Amino acid sequence: KAGVTQTPRYLIKTRGQQVTLSCSPISGHRSVSWYQQTPGQGLQFLFEYFSETQRNKGNFPGRFSGRQFSNSRSEMNVSTLELGDSALYLCASSLAGQPGYGYTFGSGTRLTVV
Amino acid sequence: GENVEQHPSTLSVQEGDSAVIKCTYSDSASNYFPWYKQELGKRPQLIIDIRSNVGEKKDQRIAVTLNKTAKHFSLHITETQPEDSAVYFCAASKKGGSSNTGKLIFGQGTTLQVKP
Repeated sequence: KAGVTQTPRYLIKTRGQQVTLSCSPISGHRSVSWYQQTPGQGLQFLFEYFSETQRNKGNFPGRFSGRQFSNSRSEMNVSTLELGDSALYLCASSLAGQPGYGYTFGSGTRLTVV
Repeated sequence: GENVEQHPSTLSVQEGDSAVIKCTYSDSASNYFPWYKQELGKRPQLIIDIRSNVGEKKDQRIAVTLNKTAKHFSLHITETQPEDSAVYFCAASKKGGSSNTGKLIFGQGTTLQVKP
């Protein structure tokens, strides 16, 4: 059974540009959550999608957005990139997104903003 | 607001010793507490989890305990091995309103070093 797949693995972007990251969940998983990981702030929740609907959103500016498709694949978009957006972006999928159903993480996309 | 405090931030033990990592959560509605292990350059991996209706759970050398009254939970690793060296994260999640939530609030992480 394939795990959570994130593409691309690495990205280098210039300040002011926008970027789109992709996440393919484990087959059958309907919940996809996104997290930002930085050395200073740790793992911070961005948003969660379930059945194509955003069900939860963290405390990030509106430049961070996402969506989920009918096949449960999810994308997140960051517009007008800032240097502080440099981070490892992780997505996690879960069968139902309910407490008690383990969340499996992908390997992440390492975004560097220069 | 929702917050999870994790201690210590770094922990160094000799191979064969036990390691304990402690977390405290602020939201009394939290009812699911997973622990993740993240090796350098790799993804976080779920190693054990516990629900609020259980006080303790064990899986081989790893155990987790939960004290709902005090709102804290702990990870215990016995007979540590060098391959246990990694960053460990605790997290808390809750059922939100009329729908369930996939939001995990993470602690800041503990870097565990097991010396051979």
